[in-house]
Amino acid sequence: QSALTQPASVSGSPGQSITISCTGTSSDVGGYNYVSWYQQHPGKAPKLMIYDVSNRPSGVSNRFSGSKSGNTASLTISGLQAEDEADYYCSSYTSSGTYVFGTGTKVSVL
Amino acid sequence: EVQLVESGGGLVQPGRSLRLSCAASGFTFDDYAMHWVRQAPGKGLEWVSGISWNSVSIVYADSVKGRFTISRDNAKNSLYLQMNSLRTEDMALYYCVKRGPNREFDYWGQGTLVTVSS
Repeated sequence: QSALTQPASVSGSPGQSITISCTGTSSDVGGYNYVSWYQQHPGKAPKLMIYDVSNRPSGVSNRFSGSKSGNTASLTISGLQAEDEADYYCSSYTSSGTYVFGTGTKVSVL
Repeated sequence: EVQLVESGGGLVQPGRSLRLSCAASGFTFDDYAMHWVRQAPGKGLEWVSGISWNSVSIVYADSVKGRFTISRDNAKNSLYLQMNSLRTEDMALYYCVKRGPNREFDYWGQGTLVTVSS
C-alpha cells in the first residue's frame, strides 16, 4: 500500500492554470475510475473536490477539473485564485479493496 | 446537514488501547459505508479502515491490521475504532469519514487527536 506520488509543491499566479499529477499503479489509479481529489486548508478537514476521476460534487467550482491517463491522474485548477492556496490530495480505490492517498501537494498562489 | 463528530482521543502510553467513536447525523447512516482516515502532525492523509453499511465487509491498512478493529452500531448512528497495542507512529488526528454513493469520501468530521507517548 504505497502512497500515490504527487509533486510536493506547485505554484502559479492569479488567473493562471496549474495541474497536479498523481501517479500510482495498475492496481489502483490505472485499474479503476475511482480517483478522487481533496482540498485541505490549514487546520481544516479535507474537502472533496473531484470524484470518479472527473466528476465535481455540487457546490465545487467548475475551475476544478480532473482527468486520467494510464496510471496517472491529474487535477487542474484554472483561473487560480488566492483561496485555492491549500494542500491537495488524490485518493484511489485499490485492487485489495482498500484505499490509498497521495503524498500531497502544496499549492501556492504567487 | 451531515455531521460527523469524533470523540475518544487523548494521551495514551505505547502498548495501551484507546477507543474512538464517531456520532453521525443528517443522513441515513445505515445506507453508507464509513471509514477512518488519519493524519500525523504535519504529514499527509493515510487511509486506516473502512466498514460496509451492514458490517459484512471490513478492510484495514496493513499498518494497523491485527491491532485496530472497526465497528458500527446502526441503531445508534455510530462508528467506532478500537485501537490496541498503540505505537508512537499511530499518533495522529483521526477523521471519521462518510463514503459517498461511489467510492469517494464525501463528508469528513473535524477529527480527534490521538497522542501516543510515555
